[in-house]
Amino acid sequence: DAGITQSPRHKVTETGTPVTLRCHQTENHRYMYWYRQDPGHGLRLIHYSYGVKDTDKGEVSDGYSVSRSKTEDFLLTLESATSSQTSVYFCAISADRMSTEQYFGPGTRLTVT
Amino acid sequence: DAKTTQPPSMDCAEGRAANLPCNHSTISGNEYVYWYRQIHSQGPQYIIHGLKNNETNEMASLIITEDRKSSTLILPHATLRDTAVYYCIVRDSNYQLIWGAGTKLIIKP
Repeated sequence: DAGITQSPRHKVTETGTPVTLRCHQTENHRYMYWYRQDPGHGLRLIHYSYGVKDTDKGEVSDGYSVSRSKTEDFLLTLESATSSQTSVYFCAISADRMSTEQYFGPGTRLTVT
Repeated sequence: DAKTTQPPSMDCAEGRAANLPCNHSTISGNEYVYWYRQIHSQGPQYIIHGLKNNETNEMASLIITEDRKSSTLILPHATLRDTAVYYCIVRDSNYQLIWGAGTKLIIKP
């Protein structure tokens, strides 16, 4: 299995509080992604990174920010969490933009009350 | 919006071949089709991909029609551990994977 960890694995927070999710990889892959998954739906891309300090928006980026100060870490921040951001968040990595495989982390279940 | 269409659910008997269809009628000539699966809320796992030739690996086979408007993922001898949601995916113009709702495959003993 690809070395991808996510922390925390579960979090409950209140509306309006800031939340940061961490994705850590040991594969030295250039690309890292944050997705969210809601019940009965596929994954939707939030943000992705193509190198240290290089990030871009995905399909559902509103309300989220990201940072990548090291190759191995990609942080997702909810500046002021809302109930609509209750979801399961997955981090993924790939060697390059056109890689056939993205490798996924175990997910973080976030509940905003 | 997803560029693929899949049935929401399917059943298959253990030991039989599971055939999962996918329609991708708007696919362009140089776009690959990718299949992933997700077991019980774990992170998705890559299965196979193809362009226009049939492909086979240790997990599955992928059959793509000649006009490339549809494909079928085949799990030749399904086991209970193959119960999962299977996603048929293409990329958007920014090379990002576009995920639909997938097919929930239930393998029955």
